[in-house]
Amino acid sequence: DGGITQSPKYLFRKEGQNVTLSCEQNLNHDAMYWYRQDPGQGLRLIYYSQIVNDFQKGDIAEGYSVSREKKESFPLTVTSAQKNPTAFYLCASHPRGYTEAFFGQGTRLTVV
Amino acid sequence: GENVEQHPSTLSVQEGDSAVIKCTYSDSASNYFPWYKQELGKGPQLIIDIRSNVGEKKDQRIAVTLNKTAKHFSLHITETQPEDSAVYFCAASRGSTLGRLYFGRGTQLTVWP
Repeated sequence: DGGITQSPKYLFRKEGQNVTLSCEQNLNHDAMYWYRQDPGQGLRLIYYSQIVNDFQKGDIAEGYSVSREKKESFPLTVTSAQKNPTAFYLCASHPRGYTEAFFGQGTRLTVV
Repeated sequence: GENVEQHPSTLSVQEGDSAVIKCTYSDSASNYFPWYKQELGKGPQLIIDIRSNVGEKKDQRIAVTLNKTAKHFSLHITETQPEDSAVYFCAASRGSTLGRLYFGRGTQLTVWP
């Protein structure tokens, strides 16, 4: 089955620790995105990548980092510099030249 | 950048009634307007979209209308059912290869049986 897989579904970390969220897609999509979702805030763009080895900051990139070493994978690291990391994180992708985005099921990160 | 406003933030309707959610956008270059449905604890799913060369699009009980002059678009759900209860997001994009979407803040729709 083709799709976008985010893991884990739930993640707990202590304050001050870095944590990496996984996003893998087998749809052969070129573009991949990370969004953060907070209650009442909608979806805000953290980082996006259109091709391997290239990525750009979105609207709220501070405290986050990404890599795109493979077309299928776009992991997001939430660093200790992110002041309020507890949120629901969504990964999305779409093929080149299309704008219909497909979303993963999300990772809920809780920092205590 | 683009700014998408969505109203209302919550909407309660009786089963069988219609529901309408409205969005406005600011960037006149935006030309792709999708609507997503998000169920609790899941990722958003595309339910319908419209491009700027079309004024209305319908898919069974769901329709979307677009007024480019006024920069607003709306989602219409007819004959609502309890399983329509979810959070709905509108979005706008320039539709280029960049493809990044600008989202509204969402509408929590509750359909009472």
